[in-house]
Amino acid sequence: DVKVTQSSRYLVKRTGEKVFLECVQDMDHENMFWYRQDPGLGLRLIYFSYDVKMKEKGDIPEGYSVSREKKERFSLILESASTNQTSMYLCASSPSKGVGYTQYFGPGTRLTVL
Amino acid sequence: AQSVTQPDIHITVSEGASLELRCNYSYGATPYLFWYVQSPGQGLQLLLKYFSGDTLVQGIKGFEAEFKRSQSSFNLRKPSVHWSDAAEYFCAVGPMEYGNKLVFGAGTILRVKS
Repeated sequence: DVKVTQSSRYLVKRTGEKVFLECVQDMDHENMFWYRQDPGLGLRLIYFSYDVKMKEKGDIPEGYSVSREKKERFSLILESASTNQTSMYLCASSPSKGVGYTQYFGPGTRLTVL
Repeated sequence: AQSVTQPDIHITVSEGASLELRCNYSYGATPYLFWYVQSPGQGLQLLLKYFSGDTLVQGIKGFEAEFKRSQSSFNLRKPSVHWSDAAEYFCAVGPMEYGNKLVFGAGTILRVKS
């Protein structure tokens, strides 16, 4: 079974802090994604990566950056956390080749910024 | 632009009753279509997906969905709902070519009455 793990289930941070959210997948997938989930808005893509050290902005990249130094790990960074970044963050991974790709999701990190 | 509409924010059904969750999409090419389910406090789990071939797709937990190109719809159905089906359901659309990026609907929250 594909496993996507996220470093924390719940996180509480202060405004202005630098926040790191870590995601690890064990299926040698090329693609990895960070989404933000808010009620009534569904999932919105923040960033994705299609290879080590490669990244592309998604729909809402402002206030976020990412790092992918190893294939299995994709980190989301909030340079200076703000209260409007309080949300559920979901990581996903998928293969890039072949028909029928599927994104596999981690359990999510619920971040509260005070 | 790609978009996914789930017209129902909340749906309540009685246990044992049939269920249909609606999904309409706007996409410029032949899409890949997905339904995911999210139980409270969990990540997303894939229920089923459509890529090509038979337009009636069977998934896990007794769910099925039908792709109707003429209506740009991919509605999810289950003949008899169980209390454990209470969750949030997301429809998503993605490209068949490069990118693997998915666009998600806002979600439908299913409540099951006993």
